[in-house]
Amino acid sequence: DQQVKQNSPSLSVQEGRISILNCDYTNSMFDYFLWYKKYPAEGPTFLISISSIKDKNEDGRFTVFLNKSAKHLSLHIVPSQPGDSAVYFCAAKYRGYQKVTFGIGTKLQVIP
Amino acid sequence: GAGVSQSPSNKVTEKGKDVELRCDPISGHTALYWYRQRLGQGLEFLIYFQGNSAPDKSGLPSDRFSAERTGESVSTLTIQRTQQEDSAVYLCASSFGTGVNNQPQHFGDGTRLSIL
Repeated sequence: DQQVKQNSPSLSVQEGRISILNCDYTNSMFDYFLWYKKYPAEGPTFLISISSIKDKNEDGRFTVFLNKSAKHLSLHIVPSQPGDSAVYFCAAKYRGYQKVTFGIGTKLQVIP
Repeated sequence: GAGVSQSPSNKVTEKGKDVELRCDPISGHTALYWYRQRLGQGLEFLIYFQGNSAPDKSGLPSDRFSAERTGESVSTLTIQRTQQEDSAVYLCASSFGTGVNNQPQHFGDGTRLSIL
């Protein structure tokens, strides 16, 4: 039972354009969402997060949007840079519980 | 170093052998997690330690898998009688875990385990 779903295994975007990575979840108890970025042969690194009390969180080129009614979140990267090429994992957890559930990842390729 | 350290970085062993993987968390991090990532798949939760509380072992796939952690320090993940389906990258992460605060996890670079 995949509670966090990333339905696009890969995405290619031209440098300078916007990258939009999508994530859907099924567990309505999730109230905190995270995005991680992973380069080959390295562990994932935390990128940005959002609490369910918000619908948007921005950090530089990265913005996460949360639509609770649709159980959907997305990560926007603008402008995209070649160094953003990596696998992006969506993750979710709920209050009082430290276990984090990850999606299977989306591989982003930014073409120079 | 300041990050999560895992050893070995690579391990190749024969089917049926036991393996032990090690994780050194970031100093001061009370929460420690083990995940597994099989080829082409996402991160699969295995086990979670929080301070001196009983660990959450709900993700361990079989009784061949076990993990220990002494206090808030090093953790070891042991796989007994390894099978080929155990081949994966095993990732360790740590965080300031307090049960209510949302603290992001910091990951090590993983141990790539290959069972022949």
